[in-house]
Amino acid sequence: NAGVTQTPKFRVLKTGQSMTLLCAQDMNHEYMYWYRQDPGMGLRLIHYSVGEGTTAKGEVPDGYNVSRLKKQNFLLGLESAAPSQTSVYFCASSEAYNEQFFGPGTRLTVL
Amino acid sequence: AQTVTQSQPEMSVQEAETVTLSCTYDTSESDYYLFWYKQPPSRQMILVIRQEAYKQQNATENRFSVNFQKAAKSFSLKISDSQLGDAAMYFCAYRSGGGADGLTFGKGTHLIIQP
Repeated sequence: NAGVTQTPKFRVLKTGQSMTLLCAQDMNHEYMYWYRQDPGMGLRLIHYSVGEGTTAKGEVPDGYNVSRLKKQNFLLGLESAAPSQTSVYFCASSEAYNEQFFGPGTRLTVL
Repeated sequence: AQTVTQSQPEMSVQEAETVTLSCTYDTSESDYYLFWYKQPPSRQMILVIRQEAYKQQNATENRFSVNFQKAAKSFSLKISDSQLGDAAMYFCAYRSGGGADGLTFGKGTHLIIQP
């Protein structure tokens, strides 16, 4: 099993450009999450999903959109990237009440 | 909202010694879970240990154990017989027990292992 995978691993964008980060999990988990990690900070929750077709806002949702069209995939979109969105992005998945399994992260730089 | 505080930005320990990382949290909930995650330079988040709030017994995983003080809202991690491979960032995290909420993380403690 691959666990949780993220595509791409690195990306550089210019201000105003758009992009989509893909998260995929093969553990048949219901819950999926997107976090961002900034220097000197722990991870902060952006959006999450409790099942196919559902999404909810986390602590820092502004400037991001998400979709969960298939149970195994969770997409994070940036419509108009800003330098403040330079960060490392982590996807995670879990079953209820269990620990979250994390992907390897995507390093995004917005110039 | 819940908050998690790690008051030690950096800790250093000699190889084979024992080190304790501190974590306190603030919540009004009675049902929750606490975790310690390790993040080595590879950036991968690795679960070290978990504790259910309803369990009085402290969790242990090999060389890793916790001291869970529910009334004091304290959740420290003890690493025994420290090894070079333990060098990493360690994050304390909180999760509500009532639903599918994400984790609330502390800012982390950078653990250095001196050979």
